[in-house]
Amino acid sequence: QSALTQPASVSGSPGQSITISCTGTSSDIGVFDYVSWYQQHPGKAPKLMIYEVNNRPSGVSNRFSGSKSGNTAALTISGLQAEDEADYYCCSYTTSTIYAFGTGTKVTVL
Amino acid sequence: QVQFVQSGAEVKKPGASVKVSCKASGYSLITYSLHWVRQAPGQRLEWLGWIHFAEDNTKYSQELQGRLTFTWDTSANTAYMELSSLKSEDTAVYYCARSNNLKLDFWGQGTLVTVSS
Repeated sequence: QSALTQPASVSGSPGQSITISCTGTSSDIGVFDYVSWYQQHPGKAPKLMIYEVNNRPSGVSNRFSGSKSGNTAALTISGLQAEDEADYYCCSYTTSTIYAFGTGTKVTVL
Repeated sequence: QVQFVQSGAEVKKPGASVKVSCKASGYSLITYSLHWVRQAPGQRLEWLGWIHFAEDNTKYSQELQGRLTFTWDTSANTAYMELSSLKSEDTAVYYCARSNNLKLDFWGQGTLVTVSS
């Protein structure tokens, strides 16, 4: 299946806000609100950070927020911290009843 | 609490098959769907498919359809992923993950499968 498109890298200084985009199509992000975001530190399993576009699981910092407009979803990290340095992946349910992950974004804290 | 423990690393030759297990604890495996995801070295996450226990069916990615088989053992609370006709490009870490209302809320620790002659 085609991957959703994310920027390869995003960086910011501690305390700043950054936004990661995730572009899909009218067969996935554009038609479903089942967009989720995962954080992955090196050598670790992914961790759910946002689900259904803008919902946070229990235990995830409120510095993480999600949004969607048309075929594009976004993850915003506010008050950037050193521990936020990781890879981030978006994911969407699709009209083919399969899932599509994004290409992944490496977040660097300067 | 919910936890998955996957089987250990495997080294296989091209053309062979591999079977990875995913044992659930903290809940009954069949009460939620289960997904399989893989990640080649330095690459992105790739969705492989899912098991709908309640509907007793499976869905596989088009790219691996025909080589991939998901099974489960209710009594052992364990799911299995078997990949056949292995190629070098199947070298990856394979993850199982629980689907809770279409979000993957708990993940296994991953199983490294290396395909090399």
